[in-house]
Amino acid sequence: ILNVEQSPQSLHVQEGDSTNFTCSFPSSNFYALHWYRWETAKSPEALFVMTLNGDEKKKGRISATLNTKEGYSYLYIKGSQPEDSATYLCAQNTGFQKLVFGTGTRLLVSP
Amino acid sequence: KAGVTQTPRYLIKTRGQQVTLSCSPISGHRSVSWYQQTPGQGLQFLFEYFSETQRNKGNFPGRFSGRQFSNSRSEMNVSTLELGDSALYLCASRYERGLAGVDEQFFGPGTRLTVL
Repeated sequence: ILNVEQSPQSLHVQEGDSTNFTCSFPSSNFYALHWYRWETAKSPEALFVMTLNGDEKKKGRISATLNTKEGYSYLYIKGSQPEDSATYLCAQNTGFQKLVFGTGTRLLVSP
Repeated sequence: KAGVTQTPRYLIKTRGQQVTLSCSPISGHRSVSWYQQTPGQGLQFLFEYFSETQRNKGNFPGRFSGRQFSNSRSEMNVSTLELGDSALYLCASRYERGLAGVDEQFFGPGTRLTVL
């Protein structure tokens, strides 16, 4: 049984702070890791799909790294803004066309 | 390009009834997946359809079923509703380029089902 875990559960930072979250996953049968941002009352929005050990991806102020050998991924947000407030989800795909999600990290950025 | 649409957005049913939810994927996407989210739980995979065939199924009872039509639109059905079925149901579509799991999934806004 897959078990994807995310930490912390929630985070409250001030505008301008940089922050990071962790996603841990079983390293066996790894195929891909997905990161999503989910704002309240909206659809989850895909941020990154990562497949290779050592992958680093960046979109604006948000970046992510992947370590498939030890089973973790980090998501970084540089200079957090109030509009970054959302729940950040990671999900692992083992190649069976389904994503196994963590419970998410809820980020609140105060002005 | 229009996004993934789901209907209805909100639904209230009573125990024992059945319900059908609909999902229209992004044009050209042939893979549709369904997920359930209940309070305190992450998104739980229900099933995935591709070209009208169910390819994978999560750990849900047989009361949960689905289907996909030739235009890739998908429906999921829950029979004999229980209180615990109250949840947000999301569908997601994907354009499969041949490497399953690598493509982005695009989610709809969800259907909020309340069972009384």
